[in-house]
Amino acid sequence: KAGVTQTPRYLIKTRGQQVTLSCSPISGHRSVSWYQQTPGQGLQFLFEYFSETQRNKGNFPGRFSGRQFSNSRSEMNVSTLELGDSALYLCASSGDRGAMNTEAFFGQGTRLTVV
Amino acid sequence: AQSVTQPDIHITVSEGASLELRCNYSYGATPYLFWYVQSPGQGLQLLLKYFSGDTLVQGIKGFEAEFKRSQSSFNLRKPSVHWSDAAEYFCAVGPAYSGYSTLTFGKGTMLLVSP
Repeated sequence: KAGVTQTPRYLIKTRGQQVTLSCSPISGHRSVSWYQQTPGQGLQFLFEYFSETQRNKGNFPGRFSGRQFSNSRSEMNVSTLELGDSALYLCASSGDRGAMNTEAFFGQGTRLTVV
Repeated sequence: AQSVTQPDIHITVSEGASLELRCNYSYGATPYLFWYVQSPGQGLQLLLKYFSGDTLVQGIKGFEAEFKRSQSSFNLRKPSVHWSDAAEYFCAVGPAYSGYSTLTFGKGTMLLVSP
């Protein structure tokens, strides 16, 4: 069974630009969550999607957005990039909500550098 | 609001010695608890999880953790550390019965293994 796939693995963008990151969850998983990891703030929850609907959202500005497609693949977009957006962005997929013994499986992340 | 505290930022252990990484959580409802490990430049790998039942849970790579509700703790242990265990370890808490994708993470503990 293939794991969680995130593309691209590395990205360099300029301040003010926008960026789109992609996440393909494990086959059969309908929940996708995104996290931002920085040395100063650690791992912070961005948002969660389930069956194409945003179920939960963390405390991030509106420049951060996401969506999920009917095949459960998810994208997150960051507009008007700032230097502080440089981070490792991790995607996690899990099975049906409420099912017992599910767990979040993480991708290898996309390393975004804003210059 | 939920929170996870890992009081040790760095820990150095001699190879072959025992290990205990501390984790305390604050959560308003029944929590699900997890330990993840991250190697440099990689995503997160689940070591073990606690949902309910036996408070001592076994994980991969010889790790175990004990849930103590009275102390709000979920400490990770390993009887004999190997050099390959050097990595960063994250404790996380998630909401029970409402899905496991929204995780609150501790700041992490970096484990260094000395020869």
